[in-house]
Amino acid sequence: DTEVTQTPKHLVMGMTNKKSLKCEQHMGHRAMYWYKQKAKKPPELMFVYSYEKLSINESVPSRFSPECPNSSLLNLHLHALQPEDSALYLCASSQPRDNLYNEQFFGPGTRLTVL
Amino acid sequence: AQSVTQLGSHVSVSEGALVLLRCNYSSSVPPYLFWYVQYPNQGLQLLLKYTSAATLVKGINGFEAEFKKSETSFHLTKPSAHMSDAAEYFCAVSVGNNDMRFGAGTRLTVKP
Repeated sequence: DTEVTQTPKHLVMGMTNKKSLKCEQHMGHRAMYWYKQKAKKPPELMFVYSYEKLSINESVPSRFSPECPNSSLLNLHLHALQPEDSALYLCASSQPRDNLYNEQFFGPGTRLTVL
Repeated sequence: AQSVTQLGSHVSVSEGALVLLRCNYSSSVPPYLFWYVQYPNQGLQLLLKYTSAATLVKGINGFEAEFKKSETSFHLTKPSAHMSDAAEYFCAVSVGNNDMRFGAGTRLTVKP
């Protein structure tokens, strides 16, 4: 299984809602990532989990809260989002290897719209 | 700091023509470089990667890239474009510790 799955595929939420994005992989990878991608832009790194511990937080606002319950799952909890948070949210995974290449496998993304 | 620059935000070619997408890197150490493709409303898919084993790297869908240290380049090529190649292409560099930096992207259009 070389797939990263993400649910839901599409999500529309109001600014007062609480929702969660989910990501799952069964490749035995021990690093998992959340990226935000705006239209016609490259993915922007938000968070990295390595061995289920948060290793990188790229100064993301606290209305985004990541969680890594186990080595296969990664969640992104959303609360009090703003319309400018509307974007494609991508999950990725890889084997963590310091100073070596770490090919990342990407999921299909969740298209989030904040009204 | 390691980074990549993609020259040309949009490239248009005719079907059957050569595809050339440019990527230059900035790195003080041997870089680990990647090309990813993104089709509309999808995630990123790895096309190929350079890990210093060989300077000419062959990838999926007929794409290849050549690492040229003297030019600090890792350009992506395909001899003959297909309509199905129309997509966004990202060059990326691994900066270690599970971090990867992407270029701005190049949108490839293929004309019939």
